[in-house]
Amino acid sequence: SQQGEEDPQALSIQEGENATMNCSYKTSINNLQWYRQNSGRGLVHLILIRSNEREKHSGRLRVTLDTSKKSSSLLITASRAADTASYFCATRWLANNNDMRFGAGTRLTVKP
Amino acid sequence: SQTIHQWPATLVQPVGSPLSLECTVEGTSNPNLYWYRQAAGRGLQLLFYSVGIGQISSEVPQNLSASRPQDRQFILSSKKLLLSDSGFYLCAWSGEGYTEAFFGQGTRLTVV
Repeated sequence: SQQGEEDPQALSIQEGENATMNCSYKTSINNLQWYRQNSGRGLVHLILIRSNEREKHSGRLRVTLDTSKKSSSLLITASRAADTASYFCATRWLANNNDMRFGAGTRLTVKP
Repeated sequence: SQTIHQWPATLVQPVGSPLSLECTVEGTSNPNLYWYRQAAGRGLQLLFYSVGIGQISSEVPQNLSASRPQDRQFILSSKKLLLSDSGFYLCAWSGEGYTEAFFGQGTRLTVV
């Protein structure tokens, strides 16, 4: 079964606005990662946050992790039309670091 | 630098026909290798992963199988395709440990 679950399933915003996506998971993890997928393409790694980290930044991306709630959020600030894509969270289980599970994803549409 | 190749990009196969999808990685040794399947508009389902030659972990018991005949080669096979095997198949690799994954461009399989 899939480990992570993202919400919302779909998000539509105007260019310049911020986009927030959430991810929840079920078991203990070593780290949580966010990926982006353009339609019909492979996934591209965006950012990794370890279980002992609470917040991480990369450019316009901000990721938070709350291990007590088993949840994470991805914030994209000042969104652009080019940010339109699906975003997935993935978890590396603490018990088996070779196993990597993905959620169902959030489809983000940024309108110009 | 490391690269991952996955082919073919698209494939249309009749029900009952065999399947062979190939994935190769360059520029690294002893990678962890993964096969995922993605239904239209959905998340990624982990099918198989491998931590070494001949070592395959199966997550979904079905008519698919995987093999790793060489360190950087991962093959997804089926003896007889079903309509339900249609989907977008993604190969990925990661380094040892709790690292990020790098994806191929995917194969769109349509079983007719």
